[in-house]
Amino acid sequence: DAGITQSPRYKITETGRQVTLMCHQTWSHSYMFWYRQDLGHGLRLIYYSAAADITDKGEVPDGYVVSRSKTENFPLTLESATRSQTSVYFCASTGLAGEETQYFGPGTRLLVL
Amino acid sequence: GESVGLHLPTLSVQEGDNSIINCAYSNSASDYFIWYKQESGKGPQFIIDIRSNMDKRQGQRVTVLLNKTVKHLSLQIAATQPGDSAVYFCAERHPYGNKLVFGAGTILRVKS
Repeated sequence: DAGITQSPRYKITETGRQVTLMCHQTWSHSYMFWYRQDLGHGLRLIYYSAAADITDKGEVPDGYVVSRSKTENFPLTLESATRSQTSVYFCASTGLAGEETQYFGPGTRLLVL
Repeated sequence: GESVGLHLPTLSVQEGDNSIINCAYSNSASDYFIWYKQESGKGPQFIIDIRSNMDKRQGQRVTVLLNKTVKHLSLQIAATQPGDSAVYFCAERHPYGNKLVFGAGTILRVKS
């Protein structure tokens, strides 16, 4: 099942360029999340959204921008990529309050040169 | 429960044995806990969850135990199989919002 998808799956970019990572879910889940995962580390929350047009910062939001104009999409933009943003990015979603399980996409592997 | 370094703890078990993966969580007010499995190159996959008003929950071949007194969570996998080899993460939900805080993870290696 499609569920939650991310694109691109792999991306190489250069320092200073703008990059947008896409996340799309077909469940009409209210909540969506962006995490980054670095070697040897757990998942760290970048931004999350409780509904369309409602977003909030997570643990590591600096250098990132999000938007949520439609329930099903939650793009993450790196306004001016830095090498420290080389990471694997995961999008997740969950339903209304009472359904807490977050379902994850396959990830986007980003390399900033 | 945040990351503490580049080297994840590793648990090596023989195929067929039981595995126990431990996790210490940080917030005594957390009300919901999840275990995820992550295979190489893939996103985390839900295994089992438990609410704070329970101390044990069983699934298929997996059991989660919650000890709120010492803020400890464990995942037990019965009859471990090679396909169980992965990184396992615990996560806790803090009382406000729907945000999860993840532990650093434990590598499970199953020897045939």
